[in-house]
Amino acid sequence: AQRVTQPEKLLSVFKGAPVELKCNYSYSGSPELFWYVQYSRQRLQLLLRHISRESIKGFTADLNKGETSFHLKKPFAQEEDSAMYYCALRGDSSYKLIFGSGTRLLVRP
Amino acid sequence: ETGVTQSPTHLIKTRGQQVTLRCSSQSGHNTVSWYQQALGQGPQFIFQYYREEENGRGNFPPRFSGLQFPNYSSELNVNALELDDSALYLCASSLAGRGAETQYFGPGTRLLVL
Repeated sequence: AQRVTQPEKLLSVFKGAPVELKCNYSYSGSPELFWYVQYSRQRLQLLLRHISRESIKGFTADLNKGETSFHLKKPFAQEEDSAMYYCALRGDSSYKLIFGSGTRLLVRP
Repeated sequence: ETGVTQSPTHLIKTRGQQVTLRCSSQSGHNTVSWYQQALGQGPQFIFQYYREEENGRGNFPPRFSGLQFPNYSSELNVNALELDDSALYLCASSLAGRGAETQYFGPGTRLLVL
């Protein structure tokens, strides 16, 4: 079964602290993994995708096929990073995104 | 460049009624996907339309149906509404034949079924 698991509903850190949002997936083929973010009163938007191997707003994520994980990391959290973060998977030759249940990141001053 | 728009923003219906939600895709996009997001959950894929035909479907009953028009805008229709249909309905557009490219989301329509 295809599944994305985000074990933490809420992650609270202080400004300047490192952040790691966990994402584990279940998929038998070669998936494409994404992180989407939703800031307060804004629409869901793509943060990054694993095939791009880029850093967006200081965030990075590495696909670990052995551990079937795609954790999102940032070395120094900023208050403006507070948002809802969703990990998503798309299977090879597939058309749909499978989302996790999301993690709310709260960065305290 | 115009982003994805959805209408209405909010809607209240009663059990058994029918509802139509609308989505205008981002300029230049030819594929539209619909998702249902229940409270506290991530979005769940309903179906996708490409060139006016259903391109794939998630685990939703047939009372969820859709249309895509020649201008690539789309409608989601839900018949015989149930209380559990209360959710945020998201539309996402992309440019591709198989939905392989980045999906851009609209602001959503919040449906409440009483």
